[in-house]
Amino acid sequence: DQQVKQNSPSLSVQEGRISILNCDYTNSMFDYFLWYKKYPAEGPTFLISISSIKDKNEDGRFTVFLNKSAKHLSLHIVPSQPGDSAVYFCAASEGSGGSNYKLTFGKGTLLTVNP
Amino acid sequence: AAGVIQSPRHLIKEKRETATLKCYPIPRHDTVYWYQQGPGQDPQFLISFYEKMQSDKGSIPDRFSAQQFSDYHSELNMSSLELGDSALYFCASRPAGGGTPYSTDTQYFGPGTRLTVL
Repeated sequence: DQQVKQNSPSLSVQEGRISILNCDYTNSMFDYFLWYKKYPAEGPTFLISISSIKDKNEDGRFTVFLNKSAKHLSLHIVPSQPGDSAVYFCAASEGSGGSNYKLTFGKGTLLTVNP
Repeated sequence: AAGVIQSPRHLIKEKRETATLKCYPIPRHDTVYWYQQGPGQDPQFLISFYEKMQSDKGSIPDRFSAQQFSDYHSELNMSSLELGDSALYFCASRPAGGGTPYSTDTQYFGPGTRLTVL
């Protein structure tokens, strides 16, 4: 049972445009959400996170939105750059609620930003 | 900034052999996590340690064991290797306290060890 779902395996956008990556979750105990970026043969690199007490967190070109009632979050990248091309993983944890912050990952979305 | 170090980066073993993967967390990070990522799959949580004690356990086979040492590095020991154990193994670390540029809510991953079982 996939508790974190990224339903789009791939996304292609033009340089300078907005990239929107989506993520849905089913476990209502999740209260901390993270996005990681991964290049081939490298480990996941932390991008941005959001706590369930917020609905938006922004860091430079990256913004994460959380809709708790819909159990949905999204990552917006504006403007998109060719160097953003990578696999993006959505991850969730029960955080302060227990489970020692272990992460449950989605299957990832391959973002390709075309020059 | 310092990162999580994993060794070896690549490992090739035969079926039924044993393997030991090592993880050196970011300095002042006292919690270590192990994840397994099969081909085309998402990373799956295996096991975690906090202050040298096992803190949580996921889908880790009984053939695998792990520990965290006094210097906070961790080792994942894998015995009776099977073909299905071929995967990327990631270690991540997290700080328990503040005072560092790292968030206490976030795990920081190493580059991974690619294990191939022939």
